[in-house]
Amino acid sequence: AQTVTQSQPEMSVQEAETVTLSCTYDTSESNYYLFWYKQPPSRQMILVIRQEAYKQQNATENRFSVNFQKAAKSFSLKISDSQLGDTAMYFCAFFPSRYNNNDMRFGAGTRLTVKP
Amino acid sequence: EPEVTQTPSHQVTQMGQEVILRCVPISNHLYFYWYRQILGQKVEFLVSFYNNEISEKSEIFDDQFSVERPDGSNFTLKIRSTKLEDSAMYFCASKPGGLIEQPQHFGDGTRLSIL
Repeated sequence: AQTVTQSQPEMSVQEAETVTLSCTYDTSESNYYLFWYKQPPSRQMILVIRQEAYKQQNATENRFSVNFQKAAKSFSLKISDSQLGDTAMYFCAFFPSRYNNNDMRFGAGTRLTVKP
Repeated sequence: EPEVTQTPSHQVTQMGQEVILRCVPISNHLYFYWYRQILGQKVEFLVSFYNNEISEKSEIFDDQFSVERPDGSNFTLKIRSTKLEDSAMYFCASKPGGLIEQPQHFGDGTRLSIL
């Protein structure tokens, strides 16, 4: 089965500190794409960061970075210098195949609260 | 920056009625999607649409559901004979082309409440 697992339903972090959200997935493909989406209380779905499994270098976007461990099928999101506006649900997602452009799989989400 | 827009933001419908959720994808995008998120649960894929036909659909997308791109700009999801369990947030998404690394752009969602 091609699934995504986020084992942390809820997390909290103090403002300005660093937090890591975990994600594991299952696929038999060798190349695929991984994404982290943020869903603030307004319920939008906002792309945070993406990673191609073929690339060994971890993706970074400003305060957001990933730790991609392909062998372990792990794709964690690190948020540095957390801000109050980072409070949201975070969903890990992936296209399980390089050639499947249709069926994006989402994890159950991690609710992150940034405390002042 | 261009956005995917969805209307209405909240739809309340009696059980058994038909409902149409509307989406306007970004204008030069070619691939369109609907997702559903039941309150407190994960986002689930419903259907993808390309070149005026369904590319793929999930087991959730049964005969109760249909999609249409009636006029080249709107992309609609129709739910016939709604059930209580259809209550959810419905997200439309689009992407410009077939490159899989291109992320989908999501609308703000329509909250559907079935009474």
